[in-house]
Amino acid sequence: QKEVEQNSGPLSVPEGAIASLNCTYSDRGSQSFFWYRQYSGKSPELIMFIYSNGDKEDGRFTAQLNKASQYVSLLIRDSQPSDSATYLCAVWTGYQKVTFGTGTKLQVIP
Amino acid sequence: GAVVSQHPSWVICKSGTSVKIECRSLDFQATTMFWYRQFPKQSLMLMATSNEGSKATYEQGVEKDKFLINHASLTLSTLTVTSAHPEDSSFYICSARTYTEAFFGQGTRLTVV
Repeated sequence: QKEVEQNSGPLSVPEGAIASLNCTYSDRGSQSFFWYRQYSGKSPELIMFIYSNGDKEDGRFTAQLNKASQYVSLLIRDSQPSDSATYLCAVWTGYQKVTFGTGTKLQVIP
Repeated sequence: GAVVSQHPSWVICKSGTSVKIECRSLDFQATTMFWYRQFPKQSLMLMATSNEGSKATYEQGVEKDKFLINHASLTLSTLTVTSAHPEDSSFYICSARTYTEAFFGQGTRLTVV
């Protein structure tokens, strides 16, 4: 079992819709969870991080964490074509180890 | 937010030569930096952890004699790819962390011909 799993996609959503990206992790000791956006040929850029169970909202983005079920998700409201990218889920354990998922490619169709 | 600067952003070198990549933390001190490699359509894979003033810690399967890491100061870590081969062509990314966030350099696209 991979430590951090994501559906590779592509996930296609129409412009203005909600995009839902999911991530599961295997290490119950994981403490911090990050979502990064990566455009082709570019380095990842941080979108959000979440530590506690529940929802965390930042603009059009909402991160959801459920430690009991070991999943974290990212919702993007009012999706825009500029949101088209690969979204990486990253899980941080207490050992300063960050493990990345393989990423989900999102396509927002105008 | 904190900024990590990586240089060069791209480099083309001949097979057998060495290439040095620099990673600097611009507005904070990083006792630890991380080097990742990303092949096309794959996720970031940690290569090594660079520790200021001591030897780097390499992940399993990464050749320490081929990928030389030097972390001489609290703001600079370098990765040298020695005797580069075409299979070393990849996107190399450095990262530095505070206690709560991880920041990435711009990445270096290495092409070995």
